[in-house]
Amino acid sequence: QSVLTQPPSVSGAPGQRVTISCTGSSSNIGAGYDVHWYQQLPGTVPKLLIHGNSNRPSGVPDRFSASKSGTSASLAITGLQAEDEADYYCQSYDSSRNGFYVFGSGTHVSVL
Amino acid sequence: QVQFVQSGAEVRKPGASVKVSCKASGYSFSTYAIHWVRQAPGQSLEWMGWVNAANGFTKYSQKFQGRVTFSRDTSASTAYMEVSSLRSEDTAVYYCARDPNYYAFDVWGQGTMVTVSS
Repeated sequence: QSVLTQPPSVSGAPGQRVTISCTGSSSNIGAGYDVHWYQQLPGTVPKLLIHGNSNRPSGVPDRFSASKSGTSASLAITGLQAEDEADYYCQSYDSSRNGFYVFGSGTHVSVL
Repeated sequence: QVQFVQSGAEVRKPGASVKVSCKASGYSFSTYAIHWVRQAPGQSLEWMGWVNAANGFTKYSQKFQGRVTFSRDTSASTAYMEVSSLRSEDTAVYYCARDPNYYAFDVWGQGTMVTVSS
């Protein structure tokens, strides 16, 4: 079981807005550690999509945005496109003895 | 450009060991830690630990402590991960990745598929 909880799937029509939640606890997100997001297209390597809660690396479209509040974070995709169909993972740091870097359970985004 | 090239797919029997390499290029190897992350078929990502590329210090997730060994060769800009006492549940794609000092992974290797089967 992943330390960070995400919905298994979300879907939307092209052009719509979808959001993905990432729920943690007081030992990771709630402790103030940053949340990062990765996109994994089918059969490919994970790609850093958002770092430091809301920062997009160079080349990532501004359709992707993210925020963090309390023990949760969320990723939003506006103007959904077919090429956004992928798995998305959140990641943070955890101070408990379960591990140091932790990932979310992953969310598959389907474009209808 | 910055990239990691990992060694090829491996097949092992239960109880055996496997060693995966990760060669870095495009930056000063000793600057950043190299992390290892694995992904079982159809599953999420799982952090295994990291090796300090400069001094070889290692940190392991509790789950893998004692069964996984990280190392590096600075002269070859290469990091290594060895997993011993393999079991079927270790079947996964193993990735190396770089943390540029903000607790995230900005560059990933292409992944190495390790299959454990009798």
